[in-house]
Amino acid sequence: KNEVEQSPQNLTAQEGEFITINCSYSVGISALHWLQQHPGGGIVSLFMLSSGKKKHGRLIATINIQEKHSSLHITASHPRDSAVYICAAPFNNTDKLIFGTGTRLQVFP
Amino acid sequence: ETGVTQTPRHLVMGMTNKKSLKCEQHLGHNAMYWYKQSAKKPLELMFVYNFKEQTENNSVPSRFSPECPNSSHLFLHLHTLQPEDSALYLCASSQGGAGWETQYFGPGTRLLVL
Repeated sequence: KNEVEQSPQNLTAQEGEFITINCSYSVGISALHWLQQHPGGGIVSLFMLSSGKKKHGRLIATINIQEKHSSLHITASHPRDSAVYICAAPFNNTDKLIFGTGTRLQVFP
Repeated sequence: ETGVTQTPRHLVMGMTNKKSLKCEQHLGHNAMYWYKQSAKKPLELMFVYNFKEQTENNSVPSRFSPECPNSSHLFLHLHTLQPEDSALYLCASSQGGAGWETQYFGPGTRLLVL
């Protein structure tokens, strides 16, 4: 069992829909990262958060440290949002990131 | 463009070949990372270098040999690989190597071992 679990594994949506991707982790962490990986492989860091909520454009990330859960929301989804979304966290006060398996999102026009 | 470049982007090699992957970052960062991404598996950390010193070796087989001549360059030397080593190899960098820092990823090298 991976220490970082994401759901769903695959997600399809129509353009304009509100998207939610979930990430749960099993041990205490100091921060959580959300990353985006486009076809072809390149990875871009979207957010790093340790509490509360962050917003960047149509993307919103929230984290509840007590419940060991984070969500990534996409408002007014667009086909260019189609990508794999990955959450990751450093465990046990180390700098080593443990990654979730990713959520593959496809947004259709 | 993330400021991290990797070459080559694609590589096909036989099990007896020796090849090297190169990573360069133009961000002035002090930490550099090698990750492996196999199909259907999460990203796995392989090596971490901080100020040119290796600070993490995540139980990687010796057929993978990293080299960090300076803070801007990172190599992964490959020899006598196995077909199961076929994967996407990603390089990343961050300012100081702390787990809460944003990491900047290169585009990856897609490796196929025949």
